[in-house]
Amino acid sequence: AQSVTQPDIHITVSEGASLELRCNYSYGATPYLFWYVQSPGQGLQLLLKYFSGDTLVQGIKGFEAEFKRSQSSFNLRKPSVHWSDAAEYFCAVGTNAGKSTFGDGTTLTVKP
Amino acid sequence: ETGVTQTPRHLVMGMTNKKSLKCEQHLGHNAMYWYKQSAKKPLELMFVYNFKEQTENNSVPSRFSPECPNSSHLFLHLHTLQPEDSALYLCASSQAAMDSNYEQYFGPGTRLTVT
Repeated sequence: AQSVTQPDIHITVSEGASLELRCNYSYGATPYLFWYVQSPGQGLQLLLKYFSGDTLVQGIKGFEAEFKRSQSSFNLRKPSVHWSDAAEYFCAVGTNAGKSTFGDGTTLTVKP
Repeated sequence: ETGVTQTPRHLVMGMTNKKSLKCEQHLGHNAMYWYKQSAKKPLELMFVYNFKEQTENNSVPSRFSPECPNSSHLFLHLHTLQPEDSALYLCASSQAAMDSNYEQYFGPGTRLTVT
């Protein structure tokens, strides 16, 4: 069965610092991978997705993610974090029948 | 209205009440989903509808009853809920629920409190 692991429950970074959020997946076939962001009291918003091709994908709000098949990872990165990036981030793998399996989420706190 | 909308945004109900949550998508999608998001728990998929047909019921108690009259509207009817049902209920839609490469678009959620 497919699964997604986000090893970091909570991360704190200073504004302007770089960010990397980790995601590891387990899936038997070629994965479809997504990162979503959820601000407090809101639904999830898609940041970026990977289906095939270039393993480095660009998303909205200056985020990027790199797919590494050998490591079963799809880590999210941003070179310089802004205070408005404070939110919860979810990694997900697309599975059969259009369902997505979500990780438990990583809460990002940004220090001024 | 654009995207996925949900009403009401907040709902407080007693355990003997009956209420309904409404979701509407304005994206021309054919699949709709209900999720439950509780504090300190992962996102739980409850139901999936594809072209108005229910394709997934993730062992959800019968006190939750979904309804999908057309591809744009999804309801979640609630009755005799328990306090542990208090959570954020998220609706989502995607182009179709047959392929796994379609991202989902989420509504803002309904914050449900059962007293």
